[in-house]
Amino acid sequence: NAGVTQTPKFHILKTGQSMTLQCAQDMNHGYMSWYRQDPGMGLRLIYYSAAAGTTDKEVPNGYNVSRLNTEDFPLRLVSAAPSQTSVYLCASSIPTSFPNQPQHFGDGTRLSIL
Amino acid sequence: DAKTTQPPSMDCAEGRAANLPCNHSTISGNEYVYWYRQIHSQGPQYIIHGLKNNETNEMASLIITEDRKSSTLILPHATLRDTAVYYCIVSGMDSSYKLIFGSGTRLLVRP
Repeated sequence: NAGVTQTPKFHILKTGQSMTLQCAQDMNHGYMSWYRQDPGMGLRLIYYSAAAGTTDKEVPNGYNVSRLNTEDFPLRLVSAAPSQTSVYLCASSIPTSFPNQPQHFGDGTRLSIL
Repeated sequence: DAKTTQPPSMDCAEGRAANLPCNHSTISGNEYVYWYRQIHSQGPQYIIHGLKNNETNEMASLIITEDRKSSTLILPHATLRDTAVYYCIVSGMDSSYKLIFGSGTRLLVRP
């Protein structure tokens, strides 16, 4: 029972490099999202997708996502900046048309940008 | 900003009940109260949620006051593995389904 799987667990990038963080879920959840977690600032929503084929962003620039199928929701850093050093968490849930469904989180990708 | 207020830290003895309070005085009628916890180096784990009635599951109980302005998460028999940061979140059903995490309560369960 894998749930939400994120890869890699750790990575170091240089400023200006690009990278894709992977997120996959095996629960047939329509809704998926990405948060970043920084010390003293809690978790902040970056992008979400209500269903395959749709995406919406909460923060401007620096990130891209795609949702080609139900299972996968990769997050791409286009040109990494030190301010994007963070722990990135992926979550999934039954679609928002169903009331009060909890979200299930992966264990995160710890990303450092030098 | 988070819509909830929690004490920054608490502790309890192993085997005893842990009662974690949360204030959410500005909660609106269609917003649920969710509790998650995060153990070091892991993602947040869902515990329980409720709208206005008290709820119980295999992990915990949630007591919501009648005016819905506060709630208490109860871990009936705390173990060392319950040491974690506990987040109380108020969330409605807007299109982003966003969870706004505050600073949470760091619970230390003592042997």
